[in-house]
Amino acid sequence: GAGVSQTPSNKVTEKGKYVELRCDPISGHTALYWYRQSLGQGPEFLIYFQGTGAADDSGLPNDRFFAVRPEGSVSTLKIQRTERGDSAMYLCASSVFGTSGSEQFFGPGTRLTVL
Amino acid sequence: DAKTTQPPSMDCAEGRAANLPCNHSTISGNEYVYWYRQIHSQGPQYIIHGLKNNETNEMASLIITEDRKSSTLILPHATLRDTAVYYCIVRVALGSARQLTFGSGTQLTVLP
Repeated sequence: GAGVSQTPSNKVTEKGKYVELRCDPISGHTALYWYRQSLGQGPEFLIYFQGTGAADDSGLPNDRFFAVRPEGSVSTLKIQRTERGDSAMYLCASSVFGTSGSEQFFGPGTRLTVL
Repeated sequence: DAKTTQPPSMDCAEGRAANLPCNHSTISGNEYVYWYRQIHSQGPQYIIHGLKNNETNEMASLIITEDRKSSTLILPHATLRDTAVYYCIVRVALGSARQLTFGSGTQLTVLP
């Protein structure tokens, strides 16, 4: 079946602009995660959804970052007033809540570049 | 979640076994050891996980020491496509959909 998909694959924007990054999880997966990965480092957790609600948003760096998952499937990560430091790979993952091991399946990521 | 320590890089000859070590000396009794890998320009991929018994699947084997303070991921016959960053992660599992805490991982380079 289809894996996790993310769009766009690449996004170039200017400092101060608003961007939206989309994640389509695997069908039936109730848990959805956003991570951010800077060059040469491992992914860092941003936010986790269980269904429609954000169960843990402790990784969001500041209030410019916001994410939604209104119908419990597709999620959008929104970044306001982008800064050059926001440039990174943004990864989305999904998993089946309650299964042993809670394996997370990752998408290919969106490469965000803020000029 | 317990912190892990991995060597930053390793090389392995194609066709040979790749043995990737991980130290997790502060692991708790209810924490599992997970391994993910990330091939360049792709998202991380789950490999295997275990609690205290050795585990094997179609991708790899996981050997956990008796005191659970360290483990080794074994790729029995490494290929060029196994070149990737390998992450060892310790976390509570069994129904808990908690986030993964990645370290810097080990860059494995499989040489022809």
